[in-house]
Amino acid sequence: EAQVTQNPRYLITVTGKKLTVTCSQNMNHEYMSWYRQDPGLGLRQIYYSMNVEVTDKGDVPEGYKVSRKEKRNFPLILESPSPNQTSLYFCASTIRSGINEQFFGPGTRLTVL
Amino acid sequence: QKEVEQNSGPLSVPEGAIASLNCTYSDRVSQSFFWYRQYSGKSPELIMSIYSNGDKEDGRFTAQLNKASQYVSLLIRDSQPSDSATYLCALVGNTGFQKLVFGTGTRLLVSP
Repeated sequence: EAQVTQNPRYLITVTGKKLTVTCSQNMNHEYMSWYRQDPGLGLRQIYYSMNVEVTDKGDVPEGYKVSRKEKRNFPLILESPSPNQTSLYFCASTIRSGINEQFFGPGTRLTVL
Repeated sequence: QKEVEQNSGPLSVPEGAIASLNCTYSDRVSQSFFWYRQYSGKSPELIMSIYSNGDKEDGRFTAQLNKASQYVSLLIRDSQPSDSATYLCALVGNTGFQKLVFGTGTRLLVSP
């Protein structure tokens, strides 16, 4: 089954404790992206990756890091989480940028205390 | 001005009615437009894409694009309670790498 998976689905953590949210897709997609969704602000892109070892900042990259060592995986790293990073996070992938369907993962609800 | 603007709603319609969802955008160069549906607590799923002026129909859904007026709309005919969700308008912006830009969404409530 074609899918994007994210782990964990829910996470409660404390300020400053490094965490990683994993994202994996099994569709051999080139383009992957991370979004955060906040009430009233909609989906905002954090980082994106055009292919292996090619990543770039989206609209709200501050406080986040990413890596793309393999085509299927695109982890999101919060080195020192803060309460303003409490949000719903989605990973998405598509064959290449701008093409029809972005497949979204199920989301990760993160709470930083 | 936001790149993509939507009325947050909620838009309430009775079952069987036509729901009309609207979206305006600011970038005249945008070429690709999408409607996503998002149920509460779930991830967005693509329901329609439209690239040229006019109407595009898919089952009960019709997307309408007017590039001169910079708006795109989604009509849902014979609305069902299961259509109750937030509908996100999105477009591929002209930033050099074709980033997908989302509106904040319109919440639709279909009452039985």
